[in-house]
Amino acid sequence: KAGVTQTPRYLIKTRGQQVTLSCSPISGHRSVSWYQQTPGQGLQFLFEYFSETQRNKGNFPGRFSGRQFSNSRSEMNVSTLELGDSALYLCASSWGTGSHYGYTFGSGTRLTVV
Amino acid sequence: DAKTTQPPSMDCAEGRAANLPCNHSTISGNEYVYWYRQIHSQGPQYIIHGLKNNETNEMASLIITEDRKSSTLILPHATLRDTAVYYCIVRPNNDMRFGAGTRLTVKP
Repeated sequence: KAGVTQTPRYLIKTRGQQVTLSCSPISGHRSVSWYQQTPGQGLQFLFEYFSETQRNKGNFPGRFSGRQFSNSRSEMNVSTLELGDSALYLCASSWGTGSHYGYTFGSGTRLTVV
Repeated sequence: DAKTTQPPSMDCAEGRAANLPCNHSTISGNEYVYWYRQIHSQGPQYIIHGLKNNETNEMASLIITEDRKSSTLILPHATLRDTAVYYCIVRPNNDMRFGAGTRLTVKP
């Protein structure tokens, strides 16, 4: 079966622009989580969506937002890009939010802000 | 934030067992322990998870202590391709938070 698909794989944006990243979860998975990974901070949780509702949010500014559609696909948006937003953005999907549900990760979108 | 403590790095000889420890002394009764690994900026790859019993799959074994305050991931015959950062995570009934993990280097 298809895994978690993230598009695009690579992206270069200019400071001040905005960007939208897309994530298609594994078929049947209803939970989608987003992470930011940088060399200095490691894997940091951004937010989690379940059935189109944001369930949890990490410690990121309001410039980072997301949404989930009725087919469980998710997008995250970063507005007013800063150089420090350069990172690997990872999406993970899961059947649900309970502790016994593991995550499956996509390959990520590498965003470079210049 | 992360509820686990792992050594920052470990080495292992190729062909030998790699034993990666993890402390999770504040784990709650219904929280599962998960192990993932990440190879060179790819997405983290699921390895194994467990609640209280020891678990084994084709990749690894997971040994959880009786008091559930620590666990060990065992890669029985490490290969060079097992060189990666290994994350031990305690998953509550919401999001999954990652710590810094253990960088395992398998040496020939």
